[in-house]
Amino acid sequence: AQSVTQLGSHVSVSEGALVLLRCNYSSSVPPYLFWYVQYPNQGLQLLLKYTSAATLVKGINGFEAEFKKSETSFHLTKPSAHMSDAAEYFCAVRKGGGSYIPTFGRGTSLIVHP
Amino acid sequence: DAEITQSPRHKITETGRQVTLACHQTWNHNNMFWYRQDLGHGLRLIHYSYGVHDTNKGEVSDGYSVSRSNTEDLPLTLESAASSQTSVYFCASSEGAELTDTQYFGPGTRLTVL
Repeated sequence: AQSVTQLGSHVSVSEGALVLLRCNYSSSVPPYLFWYVQYPNQGLQLLLKYTSAATLVKGINGFEAEFKKSETSFHLTKPSAHMSDAAEYFCAVRKGGGSYIPTFGRGTSLIVHP
Repeated sequence: DAEITQSPRHKITETGRQVTLACHQTWNHNNMFWYRQDLGHGLRLIHYSYGVHDTNKGEVSDGYSVSRSNTEDLPLTLESAASSQTSVYFCASSEGAELTDTQYFGPGTRLTVL
């Protein structure tokens, strides 16, 4: 079964610092991978997704993620954190076998200090 | 603009009562999903539907039911509410055309069972 592990339930950075949120996947077949963001009191919205077209994926709000098969990772990065980036971030992997159902990680809360 | 809405946004009920949470999407999407979000558990799938009259159980379906009589709506019913069902509930939809489909989430319903 496919799954994702998000390392660190909380990540704290200063405004202007690099953001790195970690996600490792487990999959027996090439996966489809997603990052979603949840702002306070809102639903999730897609940041970016990996569909095998390119290993470096650019998303909204300056975020990007790199698919590394050798490390089974899909870490999310942003060069310079902004206060508005404070949110919960979820990594997700699509199940195999033609399923439309993603499996979500437990989430990482990004805290941005001024 | 197309959207996905949930109602009510907040609900307080008593143990043993039947509760129905509404989800309505104007994307004309085939797929609809219900999740619950609890601290430390991330998002867990309750039920999902791939089209009208199609419903399927997710990983935490006990005590919940859904029905899909049209494309736009997937109401979630708690047959006899229990305190363990206190949670934030999210509805989502996706087109169903490709396995890389994006899920679009509603704003959530915060349910408290006393």
